[in-house]
Amino acid sequence: DSGVTQTPKHLITATGQRVTLRCSPRSGDLSVYWYQQSLDQGLQFLIQYYNGEERAKGNILERFSAQQFPDLHSELNLSSLELGDSALYFCASSAQLAGGHTQYFGPGTRLTVL
Amino acid sequence: GDSVTQMEGPVTLSEEACLTINCTYTATGYPSLFWYVQYPGEGLQLLLKATKADDKGSNKGFEATYRKETTSFHLEKGSVQVSDSAVYFCALSANNQGGKLIFGQGTELSVKP
Repeated sequence: DSGVTQTPKHLITATGQRVTLRCSPRSGDLSVYWYQQSLDQGLQFLIQYYNGEERAKGNILERFSAQQFPDLHSELNLSSLELGDSALYFCASSAQLAGGHTQYFGPGTRLTVL
Repeated sequence: GDSVTQMEGPVTLSEEACLTINCTYTATGYPSLFWYVQYPGEGLQLLLKATKADDKGSNKGFEATYRKETTSFHLEKGSVQVSDSAVYFCALSANNQGGKLIFGQGTELSVKP
């Protein structure tokens, strides 16, 4: 158990809909990262927050947004969903921003768009 | 941009065989390097890491050495077990980019009894 929790575990929805994925980092970790894992794109970095502020953006679509709340949990919002958004979405947390720090991954949310 | 390339799978080995999964990277500066493992139906777990050149990371019998001259971080194990069956990801994190991980495509390992 990494200490990172994600809900829900599975999500099935239709095209055009909007969903929210939730992540609670390990106790004490200030940095939260979101990644998408799909068969064709592999594991890709989406976005990072540190202590409530956005710090880095990767290949995140404009239809996707995220935020980190004062209690440090984070939410990833996906809207106008398309079939190609079906993927496993991971959240990870680390204590600091620096590159050498270990990121601890949650179990993921499997999103299926029908 | 920064990137990681790892050998394609799947790799199938018999129990007690030697394992090597190749990983090379392209990065500006001196990144930190990681191996993560993903067991079926689970999230990623850190297997080992190295944060500077010539460092050797090791865990559970797995080893990898940060080779700056060949920009490589190959994963090795002398004797694999059935329980090592999983997908292995090599990743880098540039020290000036907030710690985001850039992953290789993953290598699936299947160990047969």
